[in-house]
Amino acid sequence: GQQLNQSPQSMFIQEGEDVSMNCTSSSIFNTWLWYKQDPGEGPVLLIALYKAGELTSNGRLTAQFGITRKDSFLNISASIPSDVGIYFCAGQESTSYGKLTFGQGTILTVHP
Amino acid sequence: ETGVTQTPRHLVMGMTNKKSLKCEQHLGHNAMYWYKQSAKKPLELMFVYNFKEQTENNSVPSRFSPECPNSSHLFLHLHTLQPEDSALYLCASSQDYVNREVGDDFGGNTIYFGEGSWLTVV
Repeated sequence: GQQLNQSPQSMFIQEGEDVSMNCTSSSIFNTWLWYKQDPGEGPVLLIALYKAGELTSNGRLTAQFGITRKDSFLNISASIPSDVGIYFCAGQESTSYGKLTFGQGTILTVHP
Repeated sequence: ETGVTQTPRHLVMGMTNKKSLKCEQHLGHNAMYWYKQSAKKPLELMFVYNFKEQTENNSVPSRFSPECPNSSHLFLHLHTLQPEDSALYLCASSQDYVNREVGDDFGGNTIYFGEGSWLTVV
């Protein structure tokens, strides 16, 4: 099946630092989504990307849909303690009838 | 509040029990999904319903039985589960479940998740 590689697997940072994570796929996607999951909760949508090259911001979060359609990154600027959680990328192939493939997740820990 | 509500949030059941998970979405969507999230594994798609019709069954064992009586409600009936079935079960919804070609800027098929139901099989 489709493979989505998300990196890094975990990050330990100080409050105020910027964070960057990315996902790459072996085939072309026509949608990239980024979710955050807090412990014991379901994933919450952060940013949705629908066009190659698209750069979208949501507050301190910025995500981009790679030109090749095979990658995406998420940046978090000036991290705060509540940014702690697991961040997932998800991509939809053009021929998957809406089926999303999820990355393995990036566990973010922010030290005050 | 994401507009997708799951109950119960926590469930402990024996291997011979029959129980059900319930999901309701208030977003006016036409597609609903069940995902399974196990420790240290990516989210796994289990079932997809589009306009109340099942369009995906991702090789899920028959001890999991979905039901979609209308576009707003989705159930997952559980029967004779195994301890390895213990996981977080996530319901999700989206506008629809439609094939879109590369280069089609129609808008994608964004999925919204519920808070999940933690299932422990003992």
